Amino acid sequence: AQSVTQPDIHITVSEGASLELRCNYSYGATPYLFWYVQSPGQGLQLLLKYFSGDTLVQGIKGFEAEFKRSQSSFNLRKPSVHWSDAAEYFCAVGAGNTGNQFYFGTGTSLTVIP
Amino acid sequence: KAGVTQTPRYLIKTRGQQVTLSCSPISGHRSVSWYQQTPGQGLQFLFEYFSETQRNKGNFPGRFSGRQFSNSRSEMNVSTLELGDSALYLCASSSGRLVTYNEQFFGPGTRLTVL
Repeated sequence: AQSVTQPDIHITVSEGASLELRCNYSYGATPYLFWYVQSPGQGLQLLLKYFSGDTLVQGIKGFEAEFKRSQSSFNLRKPSVHWSDAAEYFCAVGAGNTGNQFYFGTGTSLTVIP
Repeated sequence: KAGVTQTPRYLIKTRGQQVTLSCSPISGHRSVSWYQQTPGQGLQFLFEYFSETQRNKGNFPGRFSGRQFSNSRSEMNVSTLELGDSALYLCASSSGRLVTYNEQFFGPGTRLTVL
């Protein structure tokens, strides 16, 4: 069965520090992987996606993620965090016959301290 | 282009009542998916509608139902509300084309509180 695990419920980093959010997935076929960000009172915004090809994908707001098939991971990174990055981050795998059935992790809440 | 809109944004109901939530997709999109977001369970897929037909379904009881109209607007209905139905309900729209993947765009959600 498809599933996504985000081991870190909450992470606190200092502004300017680097960030890595972990994501592990379970999926029988080639996964379509996504990272979304949700700010308070907002819907989900797509940060980046992976379908195939280059395993290092670049997204918006300076985020990147690396797909590692051997580890079933798709970790999100950012070299230097800004205070505005404080939000909830969700990793997801797309499934279903059209890829529209998403399985989400439970999210990682990011706090940025000055 | 206007984004995905959901109405109402907030709802308060009591146990046993029923509720209907509405989602208007981005113009030209024909697929609407619904998700339930709770602190303990995260986001869980409810169902997807395309061209007025349910195309994918998650593991929710029959109390949760939906429909889609010819203009692609979708409604979700929850009957016999339980306390555990309190959640943020998100809808997402996409073109729905039968290709490998369609990018989904999420609405701001409807916050349902069941007392």
